Amino acid sequence: EDQVTQSPEALRLQEGESSSLNCSYTVSGLRGLFWYRQDPGKGPEFLFTLYSAGEEKEKERLKATLTKKESFLHITAPKPEDSATYLCMDSNYQLIWGAGTKLIIKP
Amino acid sequence: DVKVTQSSRYLVKRTGEKVFLECVQDMDHENMFWYRQDPGLGLRLIYFSYDVKMKEKGDIPEGYSVSREKKERFSLILESASTNQTSMYLCASSVGVSYGYTFGSGTRLTVV
Repeated sequence: EDQVTQSPEALRLQEGESSSLNCSYTVSGLRGLFWYRQDPGKGPEFLFTLYSAGEEKEKERLKATLTKKESFLHITAPKPEDSATYLCMDSNYQLIWGAGTKLIIKP
Repeated sequence: DVKVTQSSRYLVKRTGEKVFLECVQDMDHENMFWYRQDPGLGLRLIYFSYDVKMKEKGDIPEGYSVSREKKERFSLILESASTNQTSMYLCASSVGVSYGYTFGSGTRLTVV
């Protein structure tokens, strides 16, 4: 069964403490791996799309990378406003979403 | 700024009621989607539409139906609301799945 698994479920960091979120997938024939940010009470907001192993994309303090089996969302020197739930999704025909990682950045 | 607008942020309905959730997008996107989001389960696709008057079942269509009479509007209908349909409902549109979605702010539905 195709799956997208995110880890950890929750991550608490101090402001400025860099870390990574993981999204692993068992989907064959990946068409695109998407990262979204979701703030409480709001819909997800698109961040990145990655299509091939080795690809990297950056936006402010976030960098997304992709291998053949997983994607990482690296967050460098995070600020409290980076607190949110981060979701990944595979755009193979089934449009499979991970359950998300809740990131909390403490000032 | 492009937008997907959902008609209600919060809704409380009684068991057995027929419930309509409305979604409008102003981006001329062909593709529109309805998801529900529950803690620990992630987003689950209910229905989607690739064109006017066209609909396809997603992963969990039971108890729901949809209507797309105009390109910009996609409605989700709960034929007879039940307590297990209490959830956050998210509408999204896309020019193509490979280009990502634009989501609405969601409707938090409580069925009592």
